Amino acid sequence: NAGVMQNPRHLVRRRGQEARLRCSPMKGHSHVYWYRQLPEEGLKFMVYLQKENIIDESGMPKERFSAEFPKEGPSILRIQQVVRGDSAAYFCASSRSGENYGYTFGSGTRLTVV
Amino acid sequence: GNSVTQMEGPVTLSEEAFLTINCTYTATGYPSLFWYVQYPGEGLQLLLKATKADDKGSNKGFEATYRKETTSFHLEKGSVQVSDSAVYFCALRNNNAGNMLTFGGGTRLMVKP
Repeated sequence: NAGVMQNPRHLVRRRGQEARLRCSPMKGHSHVYWYRQLPEEGLKFMVYLQKENIIDESGMPKERFSAEFPKEGPSILRIQQVVRGDSAAYFCASSRSGENYGYTFGSGTRLTVV
Repeated sequence: GNSVTQMEGPVTLSEEAFLTINCTYTATGYPSLFWYVQYPGEGLQLLLKATKADDKGSNKGFEATYRKETTSFHLEKGSVQVSDSAVYFCALRNNNAGNMLTFGGGTRLMVKP
């Protein structure tokens, strides 16, 4: 049973380009969470999604960032017109519904904006 | 709101030394508490958890006790190994505030042979 799969592992974008980060949750998991880790900092919550629904996007920047979790396929975190400050590691996690313990993280996508 | 405060690192120890990494939290209600470990270049792995006051989480020789009176969840290990070198994150999940985790800033542990 594969864990949470994120791709790509490393992504380099020039300023102004778009970045698309993918996350496939564990089999049987219908809840997906995205976190961002800036260099030498802890993880900050961005968005919580269930299939076809955004449940909580309180940690998502209001502009340029969007997330989706379609009925079929992986969850996508999209960053438009990237800037240097977007350089970070982006982690996805998944869980089943009603879990009362920590969920499973992927290995992350390290985005570098040049 | 919710917040987690960890001791700043790096913490440098010799092999077989005793480890304590302090963690305190602020939350309403009765959160669940977690320690995650991040090895270089990897994602976070759940190390241990506790879901109510006085619970002790343990795994791989690590322990942490949920202390509601001091709002703490300190991580301890009696004898560290070089392979324990990693970044350790304390986190809480508050059932009153959705499913997201609130993380501390992380503590880097370096164990020397």
